[in-house]
Amino acid sequence: KQEVTQIPAALSVPEGENLVLNCSFTDSAIYNLQWFRQDPGKGLTSLLLIQSSQREQTSGRLNASLDKSSGRSTLYIAASQPGDSATYLCAVRGGSQGNLIFGKGTKLSVKP
Amino acid sequence: EAGVVQSPRYKIIEKKQPVAFWCNPISGHNTLYWYLQNLGQGPELLIRYENEEAVDDSQLPKDRFSAERLKGVDSTLKIQPAELGDSAVYLCASSLAGPDEAFFGQGTRLTVV
Repeated sequence: KQEVTQIPAALSVPEGENLVLNCSFTDSAIYNLQWFRQDPGKGLTSLLLIQSSQREQTSGRLNASLDKSSGRSTLYIAASQPGDSATYLCAVRGGSQGNLIFGKGTKLSVKP
Repeated sequence: EAGVVQSPRYKIIEKKQPVAFWCNPISGHNTLYWYLQNLGQGPELLIRYENEEAVDDSQLPKDRFSAERLKGVDSTLKIQPAELGDSAVYLCASSLAGPDEAFFGQGTRLTVV
């Protein structure tokens, strides 16, 4: 059974700092991996989708990497801003017919 | 283009009462998901549709939960009767096809008292 773990559970950083959020999964046979952002009381906003054949994806100040063989993905946020404060969720899909399996998320707080 | 639309946004009901949630996916998206999210947890799948067919409902508590997706577009999730433990956020998501990027709605926060 696929299990997804996100470390740390919470992170507080000063504005302007570069940071890395970690996601690990137990079964390396994934189809793709998706990073989401969730603001309090809101739904999930898709940030990046990485296919199993890809090593990384970039969108603005965000860069997500994937090391399928070691069961890890990282989300790198450059020059963090207070508006980046949210919970970041990682989800993996086990196959083309598989469902997204989520971690519990990392709650990020960026202080001005 | 409109995203995934869910209603209502909030619902408070007494235990043992029925409740229904509605979801309108992104136009043209064939795959629709219902997820349940408890406080401090990641979302967990309840049911997945490919067009109008429920292809994975293994996590749906069928004694009290039911869902339908008429004509492969809108979907309704129903709970009858609701229990205190059903208090959670119910999220709907859609994707163009099964393994594609999933897009989520704002969710319905259910409180059972």
